[in-house]
Amino acid sequence: SQTIHQWPATLVQPVGSPLSLECTVEGTSNPNLYWYRQAAGRGLQLLFYSVGIGQISSEVPQNLSASRPQDRQFILSSKKLLLSDSGFYLCAWESYRGTEAFFGQGTRLTVV
Amino acid sequence: GQQVMQIPQYQHVQEGEDFTTYCNSSTTLSNIQWYKQRPGGHPVFLIQLVKSGEVKKQKRLTFQFGEAKKNSSLHITATQTTDVGTYFCGQGGSEKLVFGKGTKLTVNP
Repeated sequence: SQTIHQWPATLVQPVGSPLSLECTVEGTSNPNLYWYRQAAGRGLQLLFYSVGIGQISSEVPQNLSASRPQDRQFILSSKKLLLSDSGFYLCAWESYRGTEAFFGQGTRLTVV
Repeated sequence: GQQVMQIPQYQHVQEGEDFTTYCNSSTTLSNIQWYKQRPGGHPVFLIQLVKSGEVKKQKRLTFQFGEAKKNSSLHITATQTTDVGTYFCGQGGSEKLVFGKGTKLTVNP
């Protein structure tokens, strides 16, 4: 069966520090991969999505970047965090047919 | 780009009352997906609708896809405290998966 792993679950980082969040998927191949951010009590903002290795689409200009070095690995990064980067970050995958998406447990990031 | 608008943003009901959330798009949707996010949790897939006018039921939940495939609704009959959470509609399929802002449901026991 397919599973998605996202870590860490919580993270407190100082302003100006780098960030690396990793997401891996098991049990499937060639998934579409997504990074979303959810501010407290708000909706799911699509940050990045990828349909294949090295293929990244950015949805909003921001202080973040994403990479997909392997088929089932998706990484969210920042060189220097801002206070406004705080939020709940969710990784998700869906099959290339797009029938349903599966979310990781999420990372709650607090920038202080 | 493709956008789905969802209303209401918040809904508070007494246990036993019905609840409905609506999802609207200015363009035709290839499909509509519904997810539920419990407080502190991650979104979990509920259902996908693909056909014009489609209606699907899951126990007390009824999902509808409009005839023009531009709107959808989720209706919960006789809400229970276990229904609390945020309900999201999303456009997926061959397009990137984007969501409405969600409807946060609270239920007063």
